[in-house]
Amino acid sequence: AQSVTQPDIHITVSEGASLELRCNYSYGATPYLFWYVQSPGQGLQLLLKYFSGDTLVQGIKGFEAEFKRSQSSFNLRKPSVHWSDAAEYFCAVGGLGNEKLTFGTGTRLTIIP
Amino acid sequence: KAGVTQTPRYLIKTRGQQVTLSCSPISGHRSVSWYQQTPGQGLQFLFEYFSETQRNKGNFPGRFSGRQFSNSRSEMNVSTLELGDSALYLCASSLAGSNTGELFFGEGSRLTVL
Repeated sequence: AQSVTQPDIHITVSEGASLELRCNYSYGATPYLFWYVQSPGQGLQLLLKYFSGDTLVQGIKGFEAEFKRSQSSFNLRKPSVHWSDAAEYFCAVGGLGNEKLTFGTGTRLTIIP
Repeated sequence: KAGVTQTPRYLIKTRGQQVTLSCSPISGHRSVSWYQQTPGQGLQFLFEYFSETQRNKGNFPGRFSGRQFSNSRSEMNVSTLELGDSALYLCASSLAGSNTGELFFGEGSRLTVL
């Protein structure tokens, strides 16, 4: 069965500092990988996705993620965070089969001045 | 283009009651998925409907049910409510199915069971 692990429950970063959120997945075939962001009191919004091709994908709000098949990872990065990036971030895995999309448990990001 | 609309946004029920939540997807989207979000469990998949057919179902008891209408609007029902059913229920629509991952989420219905 497919699964997603986000090892960091909570991360605190200073405004202007770089950010990396970790995501490891388990999937039997070629995965579709996603990062979503949830601001307080809101639904989730898609940040970026990887289906195939270039393993470095660019998303909205200045985020990027790199797919590393050998490490079963899809880490999210941003070179310089802004206070508005404070939110919860979810990694998810899906695929071509008729399976459900599986989410990780999320990483809460706090930004300090 | 209007987003995903969920109603009601907030509701309070007591144990043993039942509740119906509604979700209107983005126009043209035929897939609607439901998720339960709680602080301890994260996002748990409930079920997905595609063109009025249940396509996939998560590991929830039979008290949780859903349906989808011909206009793609979806409802989920929880009967005999328990305290543990208190959660944010999120609906997401997509064009081609939830496994493709391009989901558009509503703001959720926050259910409190007393």
